[in-house]
Amino acid sequence: GQQVMQIPQYQHVQEGEDFTTYCNSSTTLSNIQWYKQRPGGHPVFLIQLVKSGEVKKQKRLTFQFGEAKKNSSLHITATQTTDVGTYFCAERGGADGLTFGKGTHLIIQP
Amino acid sequence: NAGVMQNPRHLVRRRGQEARLRCSPMKGHSHVYWYRQLPEEGLKFMVYLQKENIIDESGMPKERFSAEFPKEGPSILRIQQVVRGDSAAYFCASSPVGVEQYFGPGTRLTVT
Repeated sequence: GQQVMQIPQYQHVQEGEDFTTYCNSSTTLSNIQWYKQRPGGHPVFLIQLVKSGEVKKQKRLTFQFGEAKKNSSLHITATQTTDVGTYFCAERGGADGLTFGKGTHLIIQP
Repeated sequence: NAGVMQNPRHLVRRRGQEARLRCSPMKGHSHVYWYRQLPEEGLKFMVYLQKENIIDESGMPKERFSAEFPKEGPSILRIQQVVRGDSAAYFCASSPVGVEQYFGPGTRLTVT
């Protein structure tokens, strides 16, 4: 079945540094969603991208969908301790179930 | 408007027992999804239900697992004769029509 690969698995940054996680697929994605899960918590929807080359911003977060719709990225500028968590990309399938990547764990050192 | 509710939050079962996990979707949401998350892993889709109907159960193990979403009451994920490998966090999500899914706090199942 469709697989969504996500890298890196872990990312350690100093507070204030930038952070980027990447999501890749061998086939064209119909859409890409991004979720954040705090340690011990549940996934929280951040955004959905649908159009080729789409870029959306939410404060310090920038989401991109590749021109070929086979990759996506989430970039956080000037990380803060509240950004700690695991960031997942996911594709919403035809029957609406989500296919998740394995996530990138963001660890911030003060 | 209360969020998605799941209970119990933590469940301990011995091997061979049954586990019943409950999910009440957000008010007005008619679509319910169940996912399983192993430690340090992403979430794996299990099943998608609407009231009284299973729409997609392609991610559900063929044996011991079942799900329902009755006309009245919560959605239930049932695991019969649990084994150690069933230990995981089980998340329920609901959605009004599509796009974003709202996740509940999850049930952490431990099989001893």
